[in-house]
Amino acid sequence: SYELTQPLSVSVALGQTARITCGGDNIESKNVHWHRQKPGQAPVLVIYRDFNRPSGVPERFSGSNSGNTATLIVRGAQAGDEADYYCQVWDRSTAHWVFGGGTKLTVL
Amino acid sequence: EVQLVESGGGLVQPGRSLRLSCAASGFTFDDNAMHWVRQAPGKGLEWVSTISWNGVSIDYADSVKGRFTISRDNGKNSLYLQMKSLRPEDTALYYCAKGGATTVTTFDYWGQGALVTVSS
Repeated sequence: SYELTQPLSVSVALGQTARITCGGDNIESKNVHWHRQKPGQAPVLVIYRDFNRPSGVPERFSGSNSGNTATLIVRGAQAGDEADYYCQVWDRSTAHWVFGGGTKLTVL
Repeated sequence: EVQLVESGGGLVQPGRSLRLSCAASGFTFDDNAMHWVRQAPGKGLEWVSTISWNGVSIDYADSVKGRFTISRDNGKNSLYLQMKSLRPEDTALYYCAKGGATTVTTFDYWGQGALVTVSS
């Protein structure tokens, strides 16, 4: 089965740029989506199909996907960006959706 | 405004059954695939099941296949998850999520979840 690997935690200074990675075999061949989950809340889609932002998501959020790594980029990190971030792909070989283990973003 | 409201969660003994419901509003329900995702306490997200807009295409995670059944009633704008032979490891917050026109489009809205606790 397809697996997605995320770092358990990422820290970023206030106002700086955070990068959260999502590793998978030839992940560039897949559409990668990112969901943010704040404590005690339901997840929210922040990036779809590698780099697209749903309406209402700030331009500070962007994404890239190349080789075996997809990346969520958060520019000008704010305290309100602290959350768990999950990458997600659809695995064609099993017809299953797959989530990464999640990354806790801390803004210092 | 898209709204997804789960119900039916609760405490259940191992081996018993439970049925979750998800009431949808704010969008054309029968235009969209729907999904169930769960999150065990303190853990990450785990996809459970997907159903196409017309109920023809259905998929399950290996961990629930043969025990869980997803269904929908487009006339009632509702999604269901029938869970049988429940195990302690099924204990989780179960989210209903809205998909896109196809089952391979990502989840753009999530409900607040229904808590299922499997314990004797």
